[in-house]
Amino acid sequence: EIVLTQSPGTLSLSPGERATLSCGASQTISRTYLAWYQQRPGQAPRLLVYDTSSRATGIPDRFSGSGSGTDFTLTISRLEPEDFAVYYCQHYGSSILTFGGGTKLEI
Amino acid sequence: EVQLVQSGAEVKKPGESLKISCKGSGFPFANTWIGWVRQKPGKGLEWMGIIFGGDSDTRYSPSFQGQVTISADKSINTAYLQWSSLKASDTAMYYCARRSIGGRPTDYWGQGTLVTVSS
Repeated sequence: EIVLTQSPGTLSLSPGERATLSCGASQTISRTYLAWYQQRPGQAPRLLVYDTSSRATGIPDRFSGSGSGTDFTLTISRLEPEDFAVYYCQHYGSSILTFGGGTKLEI
Repeated sequence: EVQLVQSGAEVKKPGESLKISCKGSGFPFANTWIGWVRQKPGKGLEWMGIIFGGDSDTRYSPSFQGQVTISADKSINTAYLQWSSLKASDTAMYYCARRSIGGRPTDYWGQGTLVTVSS
């Protein structure tokens, strides 16, 4: 089973700044099977990015994903107030999906 | 419009049984996988397992094998998650999520069902 480790656990930034969130895999994974989700308080997770770098429908272009091998990144270019939430990476290369532990992005 | 609508919050006692549901609409349920995810209070997301709507082929995460049962009724586009004997440690929010065929991510999620187990 692939283990995903996210860092940092908490990231404190201000609106307008750039956020860089990391997701490390315990073994090399295909770029095709790495996704990012946003979860706001009291809401279900929302798919942001899939296949490492493809934005889901309706996701603003300030969100971008990159990476390969064991190291993947979600970048938010200019933080808006609504972006302060918890972010999870996910590997979906088999029927047993796995999530990282999450990064809390706080003001 | 793709929707997953889950059943309402439940409060149960340890040892009781429970079955929660997730009804899909706006997509071909019989040609789609529906997964279940647990989120304990203040914690992260845990993958429990997944079922194919068409033939009920089910795959469990090792951590949840034998602890829960996932089922589906394609005639009413509904997936289920059930427990035969709840424990306090089952207290959590449970989400269902759609996964299209072809190894895709979970793209649509239900609103969640809060299960509270307390004596």
